[in-house]
Amino acid sequence: GAVVSQHPSWVICKSGTSVKIECRSLDFQATTMFWYRQFPKQSLMLMATSNEGSKATYEQGVEKDKFLINHASLTLSTLTVTSAHPEDSSFYICSASRGEAFFGQGTRLTVV
Amino acid sequence: GENVEQHPSTLSVQEGDSAVIKCTYSDSASNYFPWYKQELGKRPQLIIDIRSNVGEKKDQRIAVTLNKTAKHFSLHITETQPEDSAVYFCAASIGTSGTYKYIFGTGTRLKVLA
Repeated sequence: GAVVSQHPSWVICKSGTSVKIECRSLDFQATTMFWYRQFPKQSLMLMATSNEGSKATYEQGVEKDKFLINHASLTLSTLTVTSAHPEDSSFYICSASRGEAFFGQGTRLTVV
Repeated sequence: GENVEQHPSTLSVQEGDSAVIKCTYSDSASNYFPWYKQELGKRPQLIIDIRSNVGEKKDQRIAVTLNKTAKHFSLHITETQPEDSAVYFCAASIGTSGTYKYIFGTGTRLKVLA
Protein backbone atom coordinates (compact mmCIF):
# COMPACT_ATOMS: atom_id res chain seq x y z
CA GLY A 1 0.00 0.00 0.00
CA ALA A 2 0.89 3.66 -0.17
CA VAL A 3 2.90 5.31 2.59
CA VAL A 4 1.91 8.42 4.48
CA SER A 5 4.43 9.78 6.92
CA GLN A 6 3.56 12.18 9.72
CA HIS A 7 6.02 14.12 11.81
CA PRO A 8 6.55 14.51 14.68
CA SER A 9 5.03 11.44 16.30
CA TRP A 10 4.78 13.26 19.60
CA VAL A 11 5.37 16.79 20.84
CA ILE A 12 5.12 18.60 24.14
CA CYS A 13 4.80 22.35 24.05
CA LYS A 14 4.11 25.21 26.40
CA SER A 15 0.75 26.90 26.47
CA GLY A 16 0.66 29.84 24.07
CA THR A 17 3.18 28.49 21.60
CA SER A 18 2.49 27.14 18.12
CA VAL A 19 3.16 23.65 16.85
CA LYS A 20 3.51 22.49 13.26
CA ILE A 21 2.70 18.95 12.18
CA GLU A 22 3.73 17.63 8.77
CA CYS A 23 2.01 15.02 6.66
CA ARG A 24 3.77 13.62 3.62
CA SER A 25 2.67 11.12 1.00
CA LEU A 26 5.92 9.34 0.22
CA ASP A 27 5.14 7.38 -2.91
CA PHE A 28 2.15 9.05 -4.48
CA GLN A 29 0.79 12.50 -5.14
CA ALA A 30 -2.16 13.60 -3.07
CA THR A 31 -4.16 16.57 -4.22
CA THR A 32 -6.30 16.15 -1.13
CA MET A 33 -5.31 15.27 2.39
CA PHE A 34 -7.42 15.13 5.51
CA TRP A 35 -6.73 16.09 9.09
CA TYR A 36 -8.41 14.29 11.97
CA ARG A 37 -8.38 14.72 15.70
CA GLN A 38 -8.86 11.85 18.11
CA PHE A 39 -9.51 12.20 21.82
CA PRO A 40 -8.71 9.24 24.09
CA LYS A 41 -11.08 6.35 23.54
CA GLN A 42 -13.04 8.31 20.97
CA SER A 43 -13.45 8.29 17.24
CA LEU A 44 -11.60 10.18 14.56
CA MET A 45 -13.17 13.56 14.03
CA LEU A 46 -12.61 15.15 10.64
CA MET A 47 -11.22 18.63 11.15
CA ALA A 48 -10.54 19.80 7.63
CA THR A 49 -9.84 18.86 4.07
CA SER A 50 -6.53 20.12 2.80
CA ASN A 51 -6.51 21.01 -0.90
CA GLU A 52 -3.27 21.46 -2.79
CA GLY A 53 -2.89 24.99 -4.02
CA SER A 54 -6.03 26.32 -2.42
CA LYS A 55 -7.60 27.02 0.94
CA ALA A 56 -8.52 24.22 3.25
CA THR A 57 -12.13 23.32 3.86
CA TYR A 58 -12.93 23.22 7.55
CA GLU A 59 -15.64 21.18 9.23
CA GLN A 60 -18.26 22.94 11.29
CA GLY A 61 -16.99 23.97 14.69
CA VAL A 62 -13.30 23.87 13.78
CA GLU A 63 -11.56 27.22 14.09
CA LYS A 64 -9.62 27.92 10.92
CA ASP A 65 -7.51 30.60 12.61
CA LYS A 66 -6.60 28.15 15.34
CA PHE A 67 -5.71 25.25 13.08
CA LEU A 68 -3.83 26.57 10.08
CA ILE A 69 -3.52 24.20 7.17
CA ASN A 70 -1.16 24.60 4.28
CA HIS A 71 -0.93 22.23 1.32
CA ALA A 72 1.90 23.69 -0.68
CA SER A 73 2.76 20.65 -2.75
CA LEU A 74 1.22 17.40 -3.92
CA THR A 75 3.08 15.48 -1.25
CA LEU A 76 3.01 17.75 1.80
CA SER A 77 0.32 19.19 4.01
CA THR A 78 0.99 20.92 7.31
CA LEU A 79 -1.24 21.60 10.29
CA THR A 80 -0.20 24.38 12.65
CA VAL A 81 -1.88 24.59 16.00
CA THR A 82 -1.55 28.25 16.91
CA SER A 83 -1.41 29.58 20.45
CA ALA A 84 -1.90 26.08 21.79
CA HIS A 85 -3.71 25.51 25.07
CA PRO A 86 -4.10 22.39 27.20
CA GLU A 87 -7.50 21.66 25.66
CA ASP A 88 -5.77 21.28 22.30
CA SER A 89 -3.93 18.26 23.64
CA SER A 90 -4.99 15.36 21.48
CA PHE A 91 -3.94 12.81 18.89
CA TYR A 92 -3.86 14.35 15.40
CA ILE A 93 -3.85 12.11 12.35
CA CYS A 94 -3.62 12.94 8.69
CA SER A 95 -4.66 10.83 5.76
CA ALA A 96 -4.17 10.94 2.03
CA SER A 97 -6.49 9.26 -0.38
CA ARG A 98 -5.61 7.22 -3.41
CA GLY A 99 -8.82 5.30 -3.68
CA GLU A 100 -8.65 4.08 -0.10
CA ALA A 101 -7.27 6.34 2.60
CA PHE A 102 -3.81 5.84 4.01
CA PHE A 103 -3.13 7.27 7.43
CA GLY A 104 -0.08 8.86 8.91
CA GLN A 105 1.16 7.40 12.17
CA GLY A 106 -0.38 10.26 14.14
CA THR A 107 1.00 13.00 16.36
CA ARG A 108 0.31 13.07 20.05
CA LEU A 109 0.29 16.70 21.13
CA THR A 110 0.52 17.57 24.80
CA VAL A 111 0.21 21.22 25.79
CA VAL A 112 1.45 22.01 29.27
CA GLY B 1 -24.54 16.81 7.55
CA GLU B 2 -23.18 13.34 7.19
CA ASN B 3 -23.42 11.08 10.19
CA VAL B 4 -22.34 7.52 10.89
CA GLU B 5 -23.65 5.63 13.88
CA GLN B 6 -21.86 2.53 15.14
CA HIS B 7 -22.94 -0.16 17.60
CA PRO B 8 -22.04 -1.59 19.99
CA SER B 9 -19.46 0.66 21.62
CA THR B 10 -17.88 -2.32 23.39
CA LEU B 11 -18.05 -6.01 22.58
CA SER B 12 -16.58 -8.95 24.44
CA VAL B 13 -16.56 -12.40 22.90
CA GLN B 14 -14.96 -15.71 23.71
CA GLU B 15 -12.11 -16.82 21.52
CA GLY B 16 -13.49 -18.74 18.56
CA ASP B 17 -16.86 -17.01 18.63
CA SER B 18 -18.07 -14.52 16.04
CA ALA B 19 -18.29 -10.76 16.42
CA VAL B 20 -20.63 -8.44 14.56
CA ILE B 21 -20.40 -4.67 14.45
CA LYS B 22 -23.09 -2.58 12.80
CA CYS B 23 -23.09 0.89 11.27
CA THR B 24 -25.72 3.16 9.82
CA TYR B 25 -25.01 6.12 7.59
CA SER B 26 -27.15 9.11 6.76
CA ASP B 27 -26.03 10.34 3.36
CA SER B 28 -27.45 8.26 0.55
CA ALA B 29 -24.71 9.57 -1.73
CA SER B 30 -22.08 7.65 0.23
CA ASN B 31 -20.46 5.14 -2.06
CA TYR B 32 -17.53 3.63 -0.23
CA PHE B 33 -17.47 1.94 3.18
CA PRO B 34 -14.14 0.98 4.72
CA TRP B 35 -13.50 -0.65 8.08
CA TYR B 36 -10.44 0.17 10.13
CA LYS B 37 -8.73 -1.55 13.03
CA GLN B 38 -6.83 0.62 15.46
CA GLU B 39 -4.56 -0.72 18.14
CA LEU B 40 -3.67 1.43 21.11
CA GLY B 41 -1.53 4.41 20.14
CA LYS B 42 -1.29 3.36 16.52
CA ARG B 43 -2.74 4.56 13.26
CA PRO B 44 -5.92 3.03 11.86
CA GLN B 45 -5.33 0.19 9.45
CA LEU B 46 -7.73 -0.73 6.70
CA ILE B 47 -8.99 -4.29 7.12
CA ILE B 48 -11.76 -4.53 4.54
CA ASP B 49 -13.90 -2.26 2.43
CA ILE B 50 -16.97 -2.41 0.25
CA ARG B 51 -18.29 -0.23 -2.51
CA SER B 52 -21.90 0.69 -3.06
CA ASN B 53 -22.34 -1.57 -6.05
CA VAL B 54 -21.60 -4.68 -3.99
CA GLY B 55 -23.72 -6.29 -1.30
CA GLU B 56 -21.14 -8.47 0.41
CA LYS B 57 -17.41 -9.01 0.51
CA LYS B 58 -15.34 -11.58 2.34
CA ASP B 59 -11.66 -11.88 3.14
CA GLN B 60 -10.79 -14.99 5.15
CA ARG B 61 -12.31 -14.52 8.63
CA ILE B 62 -13.63 -11.05 7.89
CA ALA B 63 -16.73 -10.15 5.92
CA VAL B 64 -18.68 -6.98 5.32
CA THR B 65 -22.30 -6.65 4.20
CA LEU B 66 -24.04 -3.59 2.83
CA ASN B 67 -27.74 -2.80 2.63
CA LYS B 68 -28.03 0.38 0.59
CA THR B 69 -31.77 0.63 0.97
CA ALA B 70 -31.55 0.64 4.76
CA LYS B 71 -28.21 2.45 4.75
CA HIS B 72 -26.71 -0.22 6.97
CA PHE B 73 -23.40 -2.00 6.76
CA SER B 74 -21.88 -4.55 9.08
CA LEU B 75 -18.54 -6.15 9.89
CA HIS B 76 -18.45 -9.84 10.69
CA ILE B 77 -15.41 -11.51 12.24
CA THR B 78 -15.55 -15.28 12.59
CA GLU B 79 -13.36 -17.57 14.69
CA THR B 80 -12.11 -14.61 16.70
CA GLN B 81 -8.62 -14.67 18.12
CA PRO B 82 -7.03 -12.62 20.94
CA GLU B 83 -5.10 -10.59 18.38
CA ASP B 84 -8.41 -9.37 16.99
CA SER B 85 -8.80 -7.29 20.16
CA ALA B 86 -8.70 -3.62 19.13
CA VAL B 87 -10.95 -0.70 18.34
CA TYR B 88 -12.80 -0.98 15.06
CA PHE B 89 -14.13 1.99 13.13
CA CYS B 90 -16.51 2.00 10.24
CA ALA B 91 -16.58 4.89 7.83
CA ALA B 92 -18.73 6.15 5.03
CA SER B 93 -17.34 8.27 2.30
CA ILE B 94 -18.34 10.27 -0.68
CA GLY B 95 -15.95 10.92 -3.46
CA THR B 96 -14.87 10.53 -6.98
CA SER B 97 -11.60 10.32 -8.87
CA GLY B 98 -9.84 8.61 -6.02
CA THR B 99 -10.48 11.28 -3.42
CA TYR B 100 -12.80 10.36 -0.59
CA LYS B 101 -13.99 12.37 2.36
CA TYR B 102 -14.48 10.00 5.28
CA ILE B 103 -16.88 10.26 8.17
CA PHE B 104 -16.11 7.77 10.90
CA GLY B 105 -18.35 5.91 13.26
CA THR B 106 -17.81 6.21 16.99
CA GLY B 107 -15.82 3.00 17.24
CA THR B 108 -16.26 -0.42 18.82
CA ARG B 109 -13.82 -1.75 21.37
CA LEU B 110 -13.60 -5.48 20.77
CA LYS B 111 -12.17 -7.76 23.43
CA VAL B 112 -11.56 -11.38 22.59
CA LEU B 113 -11.28 -13.43 25.75
CA ALA B 114 -8.92 -16.37 25.68
